[in-house]
Amino acid sequence: EAGVTQFPSHSVIEKGQTVTLRCDPISGHDNLYWYRRVMGKEIKFLLHFVKESKQDESGMPNNRFLAERTGGTYSTLKVQPAELEDSGVYFCASSQGTAGSEQYFGPGTRLTVT
Amino acid sequence: EDQVTQSPEALRLQEGESSSLNCSYTVSGLRGLFWYRQDPGKGPEFLFTLYSAGEEKEKERLKATLTKKESFLHITAPKPEDSATYLCAVRLGAAGNKLTFGGGTRVLVKP
Repeated sequence: EAGVTQFPSHSVIEKGQTVTLRCDPISGHDNLYWYRRVMGKEIKFLLHFVKESKQDESGMPNNRFLAERTGGTYSTLKVQPAELEDSGVYFCASSQGTAGSEQYFGPGTRLTVT
Repeated sequence: EDQVTQSPEALRLQEGESSSLNCSYTVSGLRGLFWYRQDPGKGPEFLFTLYSAGEEKEKERLKATLTKKESFLHITAPKPEDSATYLCAVRLGAAGNKLTFGGGTRVLVKP
């Protein structure tokens, strides 16, 4: 069974540019999550999709971040315009079912904003 | 504010030298405590889920335990391949499915 995949693995962009990160969850997993780790900090929750609907977006830092999940399959996270403090590693995770399911993480996308 | 604290931040062990990692939490309504392993450049890899005080889970040289305020990850007779960052995360009853992570413990096992 294929795991969670993320693309790209690395992205270097200039301040003010736009970047789109993609996540493909494990097949059949209705729940999809975005997290990020900025330098020196712990991994922080961004948002949670159930199928194509946003269940919880309480961790989204501001309106420069836009997440979508087309048809309840893959998800994209767009940062527009990017700022220096957006640099970090963005992780996607997916899980089956509802409460109690463990979340399986992808390898992450390392974003560097210069 | 709900917090998850892991200690120590870093741990250097000789191969075969058993030790324990701590994860303490100041949260209410715990609905699961999760241990992950993370290797450099990779995403967190799921290890265990614990739900109630007194529960224990084992996998190879790792054993996780849970009390009302903390969890321990015991590494018995570690090998160099156990070197990684070990992450603890909690899920709260009132917070949906999101995980709140601790800062992790970096473990280095020297041969």
